[in-house]
Amino acid sequence: NAGVTQTPKFQVLKTGQSMTLQCAQDMNHNSMYWYRQDPGMGLRLIYYSASEGTTDKGEVPNGYNVSRLNKREFSLRLESAAPSQTSVYFCASRPPGGEQYFGPGTRLTVT
Amino acid sequence: AQKVTQAQTEISVVEKEDVTLDCVYETRDTTYYLFWYKQPPSGELVFLIRRNSFDEQNEISGRYSWNFQKSTSSFNFTITASQVVDSAVYFCALSLDNAGGTSYGKLTFGQGTILTVHP
Repeated sequence: NAGVTQTPKFQVLKTGQSMTLQCAQDMNHNSMYWYRQDPGMGLRLIYYSASEGTTDKGEVPNGYNVSRLNKREFSLRLESAAPSQTSVYFCASRPPGGEQYFGPGTRLTVT
Repeated sequence: AQKVTQAQTEISVVEKEDVTLDCVYETRDTTYYLFWYKQPPSGELVFLIRRNSFDEQNEISGRYSWNFQKSTSSFNFTITASQVVDSAVYFCALSLDNAGGTSYGKLTFGQGTILTVHP
């Protein structure tokens, strides 16, 4: 039982490049989330998926897209990376009525 | 909108001291959930506690204790006899509905408090 996994762990992009952050959970949770963590700002919600086939915007969705590929996987895509998207990205999942379980994070640097 | 404030950006203590991390929240809803997460230097987020808005009883778990006061909208976290391994960033968070309602358990986080425990 791996919990929530994220790939890659580290990534460096040039401005304008695109990439997809992958997230998968093996706990059969319906709800999944993407957050970004910036110094002094805590974690902020980018997008979430309440169940397979649904996605919705969080607090800071601009510049990102998501796909809930199936119940296990929830990916985050940066179409044209900007330096302001340099951050640590966390994926999480949650069972009904429970707390969120977080992945190990992806540290992204955009130069 | 919800808001969580952790006014203490950084706290530094010496081992065996007690330390309290403050958390103040804002919400207009009467049903909500409060959380504390720990982020050690390795970077992962570790769940510590969840408390619903109808349960104001204090909770103790080993050296950790939590004081929830609705009257002051606070959910403070105390570590007794701190240890070097307690050094981490601690986040307080709030969600409106943890039971699968329309808020889908989305978390609003505070800014975090960096705790450093010196030997």
